Amino acid sequence: RKEVEQDPGPFNVPEGATVAFNCTYSNSASQSFFWYRQDCRKEPKLLMSVYSSGNEDGRFTAQLNRASQYISLLIRDSKLSDSATYLCVVGNYGGATNKLIFGTGTLLAVQP
Amino acid sequence: NAGVTQTPKFQVLKTGQSMTLQCAQDMNHEYMSWYRQDPGMGLRLIHYSVGAGITDQGEVPNGYNVSRSTTEDFPLRLLSAAPSQTSVYFCASSYGQALSYEQYFGPGTRLTVT
Repeated sequence: RKEVEQDPGPFNVPEGATVAFNCTYSNSASQSFFWYRQDCRKEPKLLMSVYSSGNEDGRFTAQLNRASQYISLLIRDSKLSDSATYLCVVGNYGGATNKLIFGTGTLLAVQP
Repeated sequence: NAGVTQTPKFQVLKTGQSMTLQCAQDMNHEYMSWYRQDPGMGLRLIHYSVGAGITDQGEVPNGYNVSRSTTEDFPLRLLSAAPSQTSVYFCASSYGQALSYEQYFGPGTRLTVT
C-alpha cells in the first residue's frame, strides 16, 4: 500500500462547478498535511496547509480526518485557471528521517 | 528575490557520464532538499541538508552525491549516469527543519540518460 494515495483522475469539470479530491495516508503518526498545486511541466507550489479544525482560503477548503486518515480539498466555483495537478503531501516526524511523502497527484481539467 | 534557481533546465547524458545539477536559493533557508519526479510516482527525496556542512540521505540516494558548503548552494552530483536516472529533478528549500514549513521548489531539471 502506498503511504499517500490519491485518485489520479482526470477530473473534467465545467467552469463554476464544485469539485472535491480525497487523499488517504497510511501512517497514523503523521503530523503535518498539505495540498500543493503543480501546473504542467512546472514546479509544485504550496496551495494550503491542512489543519485538524479544517481551513478555508477563498474558494478552497481543506479538511483533515485523523480517525479515518484522509485529507480532502474542495474547490468551489471552478475557474479555468484551476486546471492543474493537486498533490497531497504528508509530513512524518521521528525516527531516522523526518520526511514529506508526496502523493502522485490528482489532475483537474476545468472546461469552458 | 530569485527564490530557488536550478541549472541546467534540460540535460541529455550518455550512460556512464557524470554531471552536477546546480541549485541555489537566496532566501537564507537552512533546509534544502533534492527530489526526483517520475510518472506515476510521487516526488521522492534523494538527499537533504539541514544546514551548511550537514547532509543526509533520503529515500532514493543511490547514484547521487551532495554537499553543502554554503547556505545558498546545494549541488547534486550524478556519479555515473544510468537510464534509470532519467527523471525530472527538483531542488527545494524551506525556512526550518520542521516539516511544517512551506517547501519552495526550483523550476526543475529534465534529465534524459541514453
